[in-house]
Amino acid sequence: DAGITQSPRHKVTETGTPVTLRCHQTENHRYMYWYRQDPGHGLRLIHYSYGVKDTDKGEVSDGYSVSRSKTEDFLLTLESATSSQTSVYFCAISSRTGRETQYFGPGTRLLVL
Amino acid sequence: SQQGEEDPQALSIQEGENATMNCSYKTSINNLQWYRQNSGRGLVHLILIRSNEREKHSGRLRVTLDTSKKSSSLLITASRAADTASYFCATDDKEYGNKLVFGAGTILRVKS
Repeated sequence: DAGITQSPRHKVTETGTPVTLRCHQTENHRYMYWYRQDPGHGLRLIHYSYGVKDTDKGEVSDGYSVSRSKTEDFLLTLESATSSQTSVYFCAISSRTGRETQYFGPGTRLLVL
Repeated sequence: SQQGEEDPQALSIQEGENATMNCSYKTSINNLQWYRQNSGRGLVHLILIRSNEREKHSGRLRVTLDTSKKSSSLLITASRAADTASYFCATDDKEYGNKLVFGAGTILRVKS
């Protein structure tokens, strides 16, 4: 899986609690992405990063924040989890530009009760 | 909003048959990519075709791109049970910059 790990792999949490998901890469790629995958929607971009401390919003960014203090780590925070954020979250990386090949992590299954 | 839309949503074939999946998109693109996702796993890149290319091959995969119709097709020849997966097209949509936009995918089931 191209040197990408995600943690945790599974998480159950309660509505209203903050949750942080971590993506770690060993490829030194510049671009990192967070997606969520829901049945019938394919993958939807939440936030992405084009360098350390450089981030931007995606299609479904409301209720999420991100941080990237090191090249290898990209954190996704659900500020106050809601049931609608129950999903599978994927991290991806890309080397040259975001429009080139992306390499995906194994995913994190999040259940918000 | 989704850029790529795959068709059909689901496809079931016998081992050895060919499988064809289609993708339509709405705006100008630089590249179109196809990815595979096995159940419970992350996406895996299969092939990238650039807007100035019309056809590309990789092993048993053949991808075509028609920019005038804003459509692409993925053909898997001599399918195997191991090809059972979801297949997604992704486009880079010039409007959205350095990002990919994924379709909802085609679920392929290859019966042995």
